[in-house]
Amino acid sequence: KAGVTQTPRYLIKTRGQQVTLSCSPISGHRSVSWYQQTPGQGLQFLFEYFSETQRNKGNFPGRFSGRQFSNSRSEMNVSTLELGDSALYLCASSLQGAGTEAFFGQGTRLTVV
Amino acid sequence: QQQVKQSPQSLIVQKGGISIINCAYENTAFDYFPWYQQFPGKGPALLIAIRPDVSEKKEGRFTISFNKSAKQFSLHIMDSQPGDSATYFCAASVNGGTSYGKLTFGQGTILTVHP
Repeated sequence: KAGVTQTPRYLIKTRGQQVTLSCSPISGHRSVSWYQQTPGQGLQFLFEYFSETQRNKGNFPGRFSGRQFSNSRSEMNVSTLELGDSALYLCASSLQGAGTEAFFGQGTRLTVV
Repeated sequence: QQQVKQSPQSLIVQKGGISIINCAYENTAFDYFPWYQQFPGKGPALLIAIRPDVSEKKEGRFTISFNKSAKQFSLHIMDSQPGDSATYFCAASVNGGTSYGKLTFGQGTILTVHP
């Protein structure tokens, strides 16, 4: 059974640009959550999608957005990048969302210069 | 109230020893408590999880102890091996309401097992 796939693995962007990250969940999983991981703040919840609907959103500015497609694949977008957006972005897939087993991808390492 | 506090920040154990990592929470609505292991350059991997209706769960060398009244839970790694050297995260979630899909993580513990 394939795991959670995130693409790309690494990205370098310039301040002010925008970026789109992709996540393919485990087959059959309908919930995809996104997290930002930094050394200072740890793992912080961005948002969760289930069956193409955003059910929950963390405390991040509106520059961070996401969507989910009918095949459960998800994308997150960050517009007007800032240096502080440099982080490891992780997605997690689960059958129903938090409260059930969540499996993480390897992440996308975003560096903003 | 949404925080999960994890300790210690770092831990050094000799091979064969017991590693113990502790977490405490405030939100009594939390009803699912997983532990994750993360190696450098990798995403967190689910190790073991517990729900508040049991006080202990064991899977191989990994055991979660859960104390509902104290709002604390801990991970015990028996017979620690150098390959266990990684960062460990506790987490908690509420199943439903406005908390869909959200895991609240502790700050992590860097475990080093010396051979």
